[in-house]
Amino acid sequence: KAGVTQTPRYLIKTRGQQVTLSCSPISGHRSVSWYQQTPGQGLQFLFEYFSETQRNKGNFPGRFSGRQFSNSRSEMNVSTLELGDSALYLCASSTDPGSEYEQYFGPGTRLTVT
Amino acid sequence: AQSVTQLGSHVSVSEGALVLLRCNYSSSVPPYLFWYVQYPNQGLQLLLKYTTGATLVKGINGFEAEFKKSETSFHLTKPSAHMSDAAEYFCAVSDNTGNQFYFGTGTSLTVIP
Repeated sequence: KAGVTQTPRYLIKTRGQQVTLSCSPISGHRSVSWYQQTPGQGLQFLFEYFSETQRNKGNFPGRFSGRQFSNSRSEMNVSTLELGDSALYLCASSTDPGSEYEQYFGPGTRLTVT
Repeated sequence: AQSVTQLGSHVSVSEGALVLLRCNYSSSVPPYLFWYVQYPNQGLQLLLKYTTGATLVKGINGFEAEFKKSETSFHLTKPSAHMSDAAEYFCAVSDNTGNQFYFGTGTSLTVIP
């Protein structure tokens, strides 16, 4: 069974631009979560989607948004990029939401904002 | 609210030595606790988790962790380090509704031959 895939793997953008990242969960997984990983802040939860609905949202500004499609694939969008948005963005999928269901992480998308 | 503190951002051990990675948490409700490992250029992989029941949890690759409620700790151990254990390790906590995971800042483990 294929793992979680994230595209693109690397991305370079300039301040003020917007970016869209994509995540394809493991087949059969319906819950997708997004995290931002930076050296200073570690992993921080962005949001979680289940059945095309945002179930939870972390403490990030409205410039960060996401959505989930009927096939469970998910995208996250960051508008008006800032230098501080440079990070590794990780996507994780699970069969269902909730801590009792193991999250499987993708390799991440490395975003660099210049 | 939940939070996680990992003591020691870098830990070095000799091959064959005991690995001990420390994790303390704060939680207003009984927590679910996790350890993840991240190898370079890869995503996170679950090592083990504690939800309820036995407080000593065994995971993959010979790792185990013990939930100590009185100490609010969930330290990760492995009796004998292997070169392949060199990676970044993350402790995480969530409440039992699973609404959100909170990760520690990670501990980088170096194994010295």
